[in-house]
Amino acid sequence: DARVTQTPRHKVTEMGQEVTMRCQPILGHNTVFWYRQTMMQGLELLAYFRNRAPLDDSGMPKDRFSAEMPDATLATLKIQPSEPRDSAVYFCASGPLDLQGEKLFFGSGTQLSVL
Amino acid sequence: GQQLNQSPQSMFIQEGEDVSMNCTSSSIFNTWLWYKQEPGEGPVLLIALYKAGELTSNGRLTAQFGITRKDSFLNISASIPSDVGIYFCAGQLPSGTYKYIFGTGTRLKVLA
Repeated sequence: DARVTQTPRHKVTEMGQEVTMRCQPILGHNTVFWYRQTMMQGLELLAYFRNRAPLDDSGMPKDRFSAEMPDATLATLKIQPSEPRDSAVYFCASGPLDLQGEKLFFGSGTQLSVL
Repeated sequence: GQQLNQSPQSMFIQEGEDVSMNCTSSSIFNTWLWYKQEPGEGPVLLIALYKAGELTSNGRLTAQFGITRKDSFLNISASIPSDVGIYFCAGQLPSGTYKYIFGTGTRLKVLA
């Protein structure tokens, strides 16, 4: 089965360090989403790309977060500098944009702990 | 901002029982998706709904897109222990935004 692949699965870092999370969307999908999941806030949309172009990153703290798609097989989410409040599970999802609408297929997530 | 009210928050049921959960909102949605999430994993897509009134099944799961386009329902028939997990609804805002708003989840536990 085709899957969205995220690395690393777990990341523990110290406050102030840079964190980079990577995502390989399903081959042929042209939409990519980054979500953050916490107990308090649930699933929050951070960024959305279509055909590698960023269409919406209004949910992302701009001063420290950045999201890019260097090519169709790689999406990255960076946090610099990281803070303890960034601790969460970060999910990447990809989807095919077809006539009926979009379906989102999620990766297994990166569990981030910032100490 | 838009919110999705998902209920119940949690359910403890006996194996073999049927389960119903729903999502409601004050906003209209174009698409509804239902997901299941297990510990340490990402949400897995169960059912997608695209039209008001649409009723779609996937095995023992049945979901409906509410007529008002402001709600959706998921039913699980004859529950089994592997149904345990957190079920999320997600509503897609009207075309042009391509944002999905997720519900807060229904945590399901099945007692054998």
